[in-house]
Amino acid sequence: DQQVKQNSPSLSVQEGRISILNCDYTNSMFDYFLWYKKYPAEGPTFLISISSIKDKNEDGRFTVFLNKSAKHLSLHIVPSQPGDSAVYFCAASANTGNQFYFGTGTSLTVIP
Amino acid sequence: GAGVSQSPSNKVTEKGKDVELRCDPISGHTALYWYRQSLGQGLEFLIYFQGNSAPDKSGLPSDRFSAERTGGSVSTLTIQRTQQEDSAVYLCASSLGGLAGGETQYFGPGTRLLVL
Repeated sequence: DQQVKQNSPSLSVQEGRISILNCDYTNSMFDYFLWYKKYPAEGPTFLISISSIKDKNEDGRFTVFLNKSAKHLSLHIVPSQPGDSAVYFCAASANTGNQFYFGTGTSLTVIP
Repeated sequence: GAGVSQSPSNKVTEKGKDVELRCDPISGHTALYWYRQSLGQGLEFLIYFQGNSAPDKSGLPSDRFSAERTGGSVSTLTIQRTQQEDSAVYLCASSLGGLAGGETQYFGPGTRLLVL
């Protein structure tokens, strides 16, 4: 069963506009969430995280929002740049577990 | 400093053969994870090592899969009697501590396994 879901396999955005990537989860025990960015032929690299005690975390152009009641998180990238074109994975973990559960990824294309 | 390294970067093997995949974590990282990404799928957890504790093998898909971590550093993932469905990118990650501390995982570039 897929405990973390990214329902949009791809997204195209014009350079300079906002990119919004969405992620839903089913396990209410999840309390720590991350976003990873992956370029072709490379491993994922950490982008930004949020714990369940917060509803927003911002780092430069990247902001992650967490809606615990809806079991939903989103990553906002503004302004989007062509170098942001990559696959973005969200991941979640519970403090009682040893693993992260990953979504299937959303491929973002930023059009110059 | 050096990141997580994995070898080989690519491996093509015949069905039924055994393969070994290697991971060198970041020096000093006590936690090590193996994941698998099949085509069109998300990252699938396989196994987790934390210090000297018994590994969490709950993600291993079958008894053909095993992993060990020697000296708390290098890890080897072994797949015996490979099947075509084992074809995937195998990713290794390490972190300074375990997940309870919210530690970020640093991923290697992966080993792309193709079973013919």
